[in-house]
Amino acid sequence: QVQLQESGPGLVKPSQTLSLTCTVSGGSISSDSYYWSWIRQPAGKELEWIGRIYTSGSTKYNPSLMSRVTISLDTSKNQFSLKLSSVTAADTAVYYCARGKGSSGYYHFDYWGQGTLVTVSS
Amino acid sequence: EIVLTQSPGTLSLSPGERAILSCRASQSVISSYLAWYQQKPGQAPRLLIYGASSRATGIPDRFSGSGSGTDFTLTISRLEPEDFAVYYCQQYGGSPFTFGPGTKVDIK
Repeated sequence: QVQLQESGPGLVKPSQTLSLTCTVSGGSISSDSYYWSWIRQPAGKELEWIGRIYTSGSTKYNPSLMSRVTISLDTSKNQFSLKLSSVTAADTAVYYCARGKGSSGYYHFDYWGQGTLVTVSS
Repeated sequence: EIVLTQSPGTLSLSPGERAILSCRASQSVISSYLAWYQQKPGQAPRLLIYGASSRATGIPDRFSGSGSGTDFTLTISRLEPEDFAVYYCQQYGGSPFTFGPGTKVDIK
């Protein structure tokens, strides 16, 4: 059974960089063709897709966040990571990592982490 | 960007009743690349339906999805107590992927 678990600071100061890691268990992050993704949800609001990294290492980001986002893969640790720079209060949200299943860039999310709340505040 | 609109915002029903949830896209979703998720308080979303009508692994057959183009529907044939939750649709046919605002199904 595939499991994903987010980890990282729960509090980040404005203008700093938010860094989160997703550890994948129950399967290798590099052996199959999946789209490893980050999604966030501000309190009481809808879900927002942040971006993804493919097994090959190629990335794609939401244009609304593209200038501030970096997603990377660490196959030795079976992890992938999110960095979001120059954060503001608007970036306060529950951040989820998820596995995208599909092909040719079209995929749905079949496994999710439990989510981690990140608050941006001084 | 494809904008998804879900209706109604809240659906108040009793256990055993049928729930019909609607998701409308601002432009056609190619190849019916539309998914439905269930989310309970404090939990991550759970995949129910993908490809507009394919049930995910382990999802009971009381959940069914239909539709194409811009209009999609999630039907819960007979509500069980554990089905009261928020339901989101998501399109993955156009970039960026987008989610709808959700429909809350609560107990009448």
